[in-house]
Amino acid sequence: QSALTQPASVSGSPGQSITISCTGTSSDIGAYNYVSWYQQHPGKAPKLMIYDVTNRPSGVSNRFSGSKSGNTASLTISGLQAEDEADYYCTSYTTSIALGVFGGGTKLTVL
Amino acid sequence: EVQLVQSGAEVKKPGESLKISCKGSGYSFTSYWIGWVRQMPGKGLEWMGIIYPGDSDTRYRPSFQGQVTISADKSISTAYLQWSSLKASDTAMYYCARHSAFPQGAFDIWGQGTMVTVSS
Repeated sequence: QSALTQPASVSGSPGQSITISCTGTSSDIGAYNYVSWYQQHPGKAPKLMIYDVTNRPSGVSNRFSGSKSGNTASLTISGLQAEDEADYYCTSYTTSIALGVFGGGTKLTVL
Repeated sequence: EVQLVQSGAEVKKPGESLKISCKGSGYSFTSYWIGWVRQMPGKGLEWMGIIYPGDSDTRYRPSFQGQVTISADKSISTAYLQWSSLKASDTAMYYCARHSAFPQGAFDIWGQGTMVTVSS
């Protein structure tokens, strides 16, 4: 069961919007709406940002949004802020092992 | 407050055994799955496996099956990850995390992580 595919890095200027993609297969992202996204700052534990493709946990800024089309999920961050600079990971349930699988992670740089 | 508190950092030699812990509080420990996630130095996150403390139903990612054991003691609201014979390649940060509604939902609460260093 291969990891989901994410771009290694993305960047944007404060105030701009960026989108991070997460590509899987018909056994994971394409099969279920069980995609979640995590933010991880250096030396810290991951933090849940989006679950079940589009849902935001209480306390997460509405600048963060999720979507899915076919086998690809996306995380969009609007109105970029310096504090958004972090690593972002997607994950999806996969039928191949009846567990979750993470993407390789994307480093977001706020210029 | 809902939280998971993990045991402290460990330094071990190859071949030694180890059991790290993850104690839940502030919620019904037996009603949520607890997962373990590995992060090797400078690398990404990896699902290792997950356990439902209510009935000890446990699932392992194939690459970790037979390499580690996941367990839970619901009487003390604690989940465990253990190794019988550590290797240098087990050096990593290990996180436990509560899954809100496996397979739906997500890891909504995370422990602070336990750093395991295996070196001769």
